[in-house]
Amino acid sequence: DAKTTQPPSMDCAEGRAANLPCNHSTISGNEYVYWYRQIHSQGPQYIIHGLKNNETNEMASLIITEDRKSSTLILPHATLRDTAVYYCIVRRTSYGKLTFGQGTILTVHP
Amino acid sequence: KAGVTQTPRYLIKTRGQQVTLSCSPISGHRSVSWYQQTPGQGLQFLFEYFSETQRNKGNFPGRFSGRQFSNSRSEMNVSTLELGDSALYLCASRAGLNTGELFFGEGSRLTVL
Repeated sequence: DAKTTQPPSMDCAEGRAANLPCNHSTISGNEYVYWYRQIHSQGPQYIIHGLKNNETNEMASLIITEDRKSSTLILPHATLRDTAVYYCIVRRTSYGKLTFGQGTILTVHP
Repeated sequence: KAGVTQTPRYLIKTRGQQVTLSCSPISGHRSVSWYQQTPGQGLQFLFEYFSETQRNKGNFPGRFSGRQFSNSRSEMNVSTLELGDSALYLCASRAGLNTGELFFGEGSRLTVL
């Protein structure tokens, strides 16, 4: 699986958009970008994933650059409940193993 | 639809004992994987089961084992417990081997004294 690089921490004001970057410069053609988050003491929660096109669901949007070497997870209107560790993971869909890095600690403040 | 259910949620054991943790996947999901989370090592993959067969294995000693039953429920066992086995053990399920999204349970928090 390709390695990813994320900033260790970010802050965001409640109601504003949170933009979480991820670098995955060694991604290969059959690898997807997945985002999970983990709220304190809970199991990780799937957010979104994509291959090369931008994706949007009820939780977030995923923007993948054209060369696929980086991506951004966007939480359009962050709330205090979005405070969590966000993990960017690159993997083949068929591969069951998720390799978690250190992630980004997102703190949403009032 | 019920989520992934793990039991017990909390348990305390002493060194040398063994422990068995249980995981019931989302209904219809046939793959179950296990992860260990510690403050020092983060989230680490233990193994994945599909159709009662282990499909992937992480880099853990043989004291860590698992199995999956015909109803897709899974158990993991840790024998000869060590202090370093204290961790949050997470189970995740997915529908099949070509399905990317994993859905995690709340975990079983093991404390080894």
